[in-house]
Amino acid sequence: SQTIHQWPATLVQPVGSPLSLECTVEGTSNPNLYWYRQAAGRGLQLLFYSVGIGQISSEVPQNLSASRPQDRQFILSSKKLLLSDSGFYLCAWSRQGYGYTFGSGTRLTVV
Amino acid sequence: DAKTTQPNSMESNEEEPVHLPCNHSTISGTDYIHWYRQLPSQGPEYVIHGLTSNVNNRMASLAIAEDRKSSTLILHRATLRDAAVYYCILGLEGSARQLTFGSGTQLTVLP
Repeated sequence: SQTIHQWPATLVQPVGSPLSLECTVEGTSNPNLYWYRQAAGRGLQLLFYSVGIGQISSEVPQNLSASRPQDRQFILSSKKLLLSDSGFYLCAWSRQGYGYTFGSGTRLTVV
Repeated sequence: DAKTTQPNSMESNEEEPVHLPCNHSTISGTDYIHWYRQLPSQGPEYVIHGLTSNVNNRMASLAIAEDRKSSTLILHRATLRDAAVYYCILGLEGSARQLTFGSGTQLTVLP
């Protein structure tokens, strides 16, 4: 069966520090991968999606970047965090014929 | 992207059926109707999706209007664990860059 791992679950980082969130998928090959962000009490905002290794599309210009170094690995990064980067970050995967499966999320607080 | 309209909140009594409506008057012919739900501090969970015909699974039923401009998610017997935000989303099945999340419907289940 397919599973998705996302870590860490919670993170508190100072303004100006770097960020690296990792997401890995098991049990499937060549998935579409996504990073979403959810502000408190709001819906999900799509940040990045990837249809293959090294292929990243950005939906929203921002302080973040994404990379896909391996087929089932998706990384969200920032060189210098801003207060506005705080939120709940979710990784997800999908494939033709499947629904979308989300990870358990990372609660990021920038202080 | 085609948009959806959902009520902000709904209440239901435990063990009674719940009908969650969604309007999507600008749906395109290739858009699937997806439903996800999200519990607090968790990633969204797939509930059901369909294209034209009504769909049933172990979690819920999806009733799609003949003109596809609206749909209804049906929980046959609400339990306290069904209390969540329910999102109705349009998108291609398993395709990248889809699933634009709105604000959803907060379902409260009363004991």
